[in-house]
Amino acid sequence: DAGVTQSPTHLIKTRGQQVTLRCSPKSGHDTVSWYQQALGQGPQFIFQYYEEEERQRGNFPDRFSGHQFPNYSSELNVNALLLGDSALYLCASSFSIRVEAFFGQGTRLTVV
Amino acid sequence: DQQVKQNSPSLSVQEGRISILNCDYTNSMFDYFLWYKKYPAEGPTFLISISSIKDKNEDGRFTVFLNKSAKHLSLHIVPSQPGDSAVYFCAATLGGGATNKLIFGTGTLLAVQP
Repeated sequence: DAGVTQSPTHLIKTRGQQVTLRCSPKSGHDTVSWYQQALGQGPQFIFQYYEEEERQRGNFPDRFSGHQFPNYSSELNVNALLLGDSALYLCASSFSIRVEAFFGQGTRLTVV
Repeated sequence: DQQVKQNSPSLSVQEGRISILNCDYTNSMFDYFLWYKKYPAEGPTFLISISSIKDKNEDGRFTVFLNKSAKHLSLHIVPSQPGDSAVYFCAATLGGGATNKLIFGTGTLLAVQP
């Protein structure tokens, strides 16, 4: 049973560029959440998708957007990248009646 | 505004002894609390959770205690093993159910010495 998978694992982008990160949830899970983890900090909630709709959103600007597909996989898009967007981006999936979320290995984004 | 706080950035414990990791929170409306373990270059791994209506939950070597009056929870690992060395995050949710966001603390680095 494959867990949560994210791609790519590492990415280097230039300021002002756009980036798309991808996530496949654990089998049987229908909810996908995205988190940003800066160095030395805990993960910060970006947004959550359920039934292909954004269900909740954290305190992140509109430059951060996402999508969930019918197969429950998800994408995170970040436009007009800033140096401060450099972080580990984590995807987590869960089944709607359970609290526990399962995380992927993350995508390390470096903006130069 | 840090609603979930882990005030100890690091902890060192001898193998076989008990590890106690602490977490404080400010929002009395949190209804579930979770502990995650994170190794370098990996995503967080779920360890154990507790509902706010309980004061203890146990799973093998891991026990979580919740003191609602003090807004404090702790994770006990007994006995500690070198493989337990990792960063431990405390997290909380509002509203119940998997469609609610996790609010994380800043983590505690546990080092278990052989």
